[in-house]
Amino acid sequence: DAGITQSPRYKITETGRQVTLMCHQTWSHSYMFWYRQDLGHGLRLIYYSAAADITDKGEVPDGYVVSRSKTENFPLTLESATRSQTSVYFCASSEPRWAGVGGELFFGEGSRLTVL
Amino acid sequence: AQTVTQSQPEMSVQEAETVTLSCTYDTSENNYYLFWYKQPPSRQMILVIRQEAYKQQNATENRFSVNFQKAAKSFSLKISDSQLGDTAMYFCAFMKHVRRGDDKIIFGKGTRLHILP
Repeated sequence: DAGITQSPRYKITETGRQVTLMCHQTWSHSYMFWYRQDLGHGLRLIYYSAAADITDKGEVPDGYVVSRSKTENFPLTLESATRSQTSVYFCASSEPRWAGVGGELFFGEGSRLTVL
Repeated sequence: AQTVTQSQPEMSVQEAETVTLSCTYDTSENNYYLFWYKQPPSRQMILVIRQEAYKQQNATENRFSVNFQKAAKSFSLKISDSQLGDTAMYFCAFMKHVRRGDDKIIFGKGTRLHILP
């Protein structure tokens, strides 16, 4: 199916464990993003990528690692999970605004992560 | 750094009424995009409306319209004839329009809107 998919949708892990959240898009969009959503904080940007092999930090990058070896995939890794990383994580993609499409974000359905 | 502020954490209105959600932003840029996204209970994020800063005309999409005041850095969303399906969290978002490789979008904290029957 066309679109953007995240996996797993739900994950429970323990403090100190490594966790990887997967994101896959079928549109070949240039940009991909990872946001976390927390009550009282809205959506905060963790990392983003303008193209394969190009990534950059967002507002809250500490404790997270990303990679983008292929245009369609943008995994997010928590190297040593902490309770403060309990959140709902959203992956999104877009075409750049200089391509004339206005930069609209297309979101996945979110991954709810609980760190015990 | 750009910031986006939504001063109303939560609002409730009766069905069929008109409601306005507030958003202010801070930027030194002259060219940028502003967005309103809707997140219903399903959690899926949906684009409601988009405004380009260099366009003076306010964007409209059916029952949704914006009041864009560039000098005041204000970008409010008006929902006319509100419907039960409008119940959702609404996020205001900002994207600057500077150069390639820097298209990140910053969101406000959101306004939870309840449409009452």
